[in-house]
Amino acid sequence: EPEVTQTPSHQVTQMGQEVILRCVPISNHLYFYWYRQILGQKVEFLVSFYNNEISEKSEIFDDQFSVERPDGSNFTLKIRSTKLEDSAMYFCASQGEETQYFGPGTRLLVL
Amino acid sequence: SQQGEEDPQALSIQEGENATMNCSYKTSINNLQWYRQNSGRGLVHLILIRSNEREKHSGRLRVTLDTSKKSSSLLITASRAADTASYFCAALRRIGNEKLTFGTGTRLTIIP
Repeated sequence: EPEVTQTPSHQVTQMGQEVILRCVPISNHLYFYWYRQILGQKVEFLVSFYNNEISEKSEIFDDQFSVERPDGSNFTLKIRSTKLEDSAMYFCASQGEETQYFGPGTRLLVL
Repeated sequence: SQQGEEDPQALSIQEGENATMNCSYKTSINNLQWYRQNSGRGLVHLILIRSNEREKHSGRLRVTLDTSKKSSSLLITASRAADTASYFCAALRRIGNEKLTFGTGTRLTIIP
């Protein structure tokens, strides 16, 4: 069964550094998403992406964040200058018809 | 309360018993989806119920939806130790490029 994959599974970085989180969505899906979950809290929407552009973003998704689909398979989330409060689990999701399928997540720790 | 509030926040039951979790939401929805998350892991899609459906079954899972009350319930029958996880409801307002709004989750513990 096709699945969403994410790399790396864990990332530790210093505050102020740039990080790129990578996702490979399910191949025939057209809608892509990033969510995050701070430890012990609910899953929060960050951004949605369709037809090679952002279609919606949340207040969390400020100028430090960007997304890209550099080729036909990868979908990336970049945080330009990480802050301590960016520490969280980041989930990529892709959607076919109705259901959003989530990747296993990248646990980001900013020190 | 925020959209997608689950109750109870935590539930412990004996293996073999049924577990019921509830979810409320605020806005109109196209569908409501339930996910499971094992500790520190990814989100696994369990079941989706559309706004024009009232009940849906999948294996040991039964989901109901009451759009007049803006609420949904997830029933897991004959629980197993492997069902121990957090369960989240997530509301989708419209089909297509639309975000899911997650609830706060119910932490379910099955006691062997």
